[in-house]
Amino acid sequence: EIVLTQSPATLSLSPGERATLSCRASQSVSSYLAWYQQKPGQTPRLLIYDGSKRATGIPARFSGSGFGTDFTLTISSLEPEDFAVYYCQQRGGWPSVTFGPGTKVDIK
Amino acid sequence: QVHLVESGGGVVRPGGSLRLSCAASGFAFDVYGMHWVRQAPGKGLEWVAVLGHDGGSEYYDDSVKGRFTISRDNSRNTLYLQMNSLRGEDTAVYFCARDKNIGYQDYWGQGALVIVSS
Repeated sequence: EIVLTQSPATLSLSPGERATLSCRASQSVSSYLAWYQQKPGQTPRLLIYDGSKRATGIPARFSGSGFGTDFTLTISSLEPEDFAVYYCQQRGGWPSVTFGPGTKVDIK
Repeated sequence: QVHLVESGGGVVRPGGSLRLSCAASGFAFDVYGMHWVRQAPGKGLEWVAVLGHDGGSEYYDDSVKGRFTISRDNSRNTLYLQMNSLRGEDTAVYFCARDKNIGYQDYWGQGALVIVSS
C-alpha cells in the first residue's frame, strides 16, 4: 500500500498570505495525485487532480505541482473561506487508493 | 445538478450487519464508477471501496476486504454497501462519491453515520 505523508500537520497563517502544503508518497504515484478541501461539517471538495489540474469551479489561487513522490498544493493568497483541512489522495497505486492524514490551515 | 444521498446508517452491535444505500440523481449514473469513503469521528478520510460503472471491477481496502460488499442497481440509480462482521473501528461517517478519472472523487454525498457499539 502506498502511504501518503502530509506536512505540516497544522499551518497557521493570516488572510492574504501564501500557503504551501506538502504531500509525500512512499513510492512513486507518477502524476496521479489529488487534493481535497474539507471544512468543518462539510463534505470534501475536489480541488486538484492529476497533480496540477484544477477541478471544475476551483479558483486560480489554488495550484498543484509535483511528480513521483513529492507534491505541493499552493494557495497564492488565502481568503477567509480557505481555512480548512486539506487532504492529498493518490490513485497511482490503482486499484489501491489512499489518502494522506491531512493538513489543517488555520487562522493565525 | 449532481446529487448523492446516503441512507441506512445507524447503531449496530459488533459482529452485526448493516446496508447503506446511496441514491444518485442529476447525472448518468450508469456511466460512472462509484466509491465509498469513510471518516471516523474527528479523523481523516479513508477510502473503502470502488465499483465500476457496469457493476464489474470492484476493489476494496484491505481493512474491509471479505467483510464489505459494494454493489449497484443502475435501474434504480442506487449504490449499496453491505457491511458484515462490523467492528468498533468501522464506526464512521460513510460517504458515497462519484468517480473521476478512475480513482478520484468529484461529487460527494452528505454521508451516513454508522456506529458500532455494544
